[in-house]
Amino acid sequence: ETGVTQTPRHLVMGMTNKKSLKCEQHLGHNAMYWYKQSAKKPLELMFVYSLEERVENNSVPSRFSPECPNSSHLFLHLHTLQPEDSALYLCASSQYQGSYGYTFGSGTRLTVV
Amino acid sequence: DAKTTQPPSMDCAEGRAANLPCNHSTISGNEYVYWYRQIHSQGPQYIIHGLKNNETNEMASLIITEDRKSSTLILPHATLRDTAVYYCIVRVDTSGTYKYIFGTGTRLKVLA
Repeated sequence: ETGVTQTPRHLVMGMTNKKSLKCEQHLGHNAMYWYKQSAKKPLELMFVYSLEERVENNSVPSRFSPECPNSSHLFLHLHTLQPEDSALYLCASSQYQGSYGYTFGSGTRLTVV
Repeated sequence: DAKTTQPPSMDCAEGRAANLPCNHSTISGNEYVYWYRQIHSQGPQYIIHGLKNNETNEMASLIITEDRKSSTLILPHATLRDTAVYYCIVRVDTSGTYKYIFGTGTRLKVLA
């Protein structure tokens, strides 16, 4: 365990479903991130939260909705996804936004059918 | 777009040093170079970072050229568990927001 816990590890959902991915860290970090990793493509930064405030939204479709209720928890709410959204979704945290030494979780492997 | 280029794959014999190169010819004066690795089915793991000087920690050494246009990550005694994808990253500052832009990395295979 890295200190960043993601649940579930695997998720299969239909295109009309609504689901949520959860990320939790108790490292005392103030920044949290969502990344998407599709097959054979680089990691793509989706969202950045600093002190529970969203500071970056990288042109992500509205079917992905992040939520950061406190500095230890980050959610990614999913609805009406497409098969091309199937990917590994990674959460990371750092002491401050942009500080070195991001700690990543193990990711949620999402399959949209 | 990533500001770094790396060879797509490399092999290294177990017990030998693995030297992973990275080009970052457009790096700015205050931008750090970071290295992460991703073992299959896990999230990336921080290895080391540097600005100008060479750096060493318990995992690896980082050698940065004097002009800062390239760097090399050295794993001094590679083991089978070092098989992973290694990412060289330059942290980008866009309007006060720092971001890591990952490239496709180098897939290192350590051979027994």
